Amino acid sequence: QSALTQPPSASGSPGQSVTISCTGTSSDVGDYNYVSWYQQHPGKAPKLIIFEVSKRPSGVPDRFSGSKSGNTASLTVSGLQAEDEADYYCCSYARSNTYVFGSGTKVTVL
Amino acid sequence: QMQLQESGPGLVKASETLSLTCTVSSGSINGHFWAWIRQPPGKGLEWIGRVYTSGSTNYRPSLKSRIAISIDPSNNQFSLKLSSVTAADTAVYYCARDSNWDYFDYWGQGMLVTVSS
Repeated sequence: QSALTQPPSASGSPGQSVTISCTGTSSDVGDYNYVSWYQQHPGKAPKLIIFEVSKRPSGVPDRFSGSKSGNTASLTVSGLQAEDEADYYCCSYARSNTYVFGSGTKVTVL
Repeated sequence: QMQLQESGPGLVKASETLSLTCTVSSGSINGHFWAWIRQPPGKGLEWIGRVYTSGSTNYRPSLKSRIAISIDPSNNQFSLKLSSVTAADTAVYYCARDSNWDYFDYWGQGMLVTVSS
């Protein structure tokens, strides 16, 4: 069970947008719309920011958006703010009743 | 706001069994799925397994032979036991609420467990 593939890092200036990809297979991302995204600040627990590919939990700013095409899901953070600097992880339901997480992406606000 | 809190030994000797408990407060443990997720230092998240209120479980295939997750609804707690630990099991262990194969919406603060030789 391999981790979903994410770029190790991404960056952008305040106010800009950054998009993070999450590539899986037809056994996980490609076959199910159960992709979620988590934001993790250093030393803190992950926080759910997107579920079911593109839905936002209550309280999550609409600067965060999600999408999916084929085996690849994406998270876009628009209007970057200093507090968006964090690690981001995708997660998908996978065939045979398991979850698989992405490898993680460190977002830096320049 | 539901809260989860991990507890247990922070240091376990190699070859022994890691045991953690998650206590759920400000909400009921009944009718939900509950998960354990870990994160080795400096690395990514890894799903370990989950338990339902009824006691039914699902485990990560690569850990299945060493894991036991149980639940105690009367005390609003669920637990993880991982046997025959090695240094590779050193990680921050999180408990979380599982929305049934969809997402994890409530998380504990995490607990670092170090396996010593």
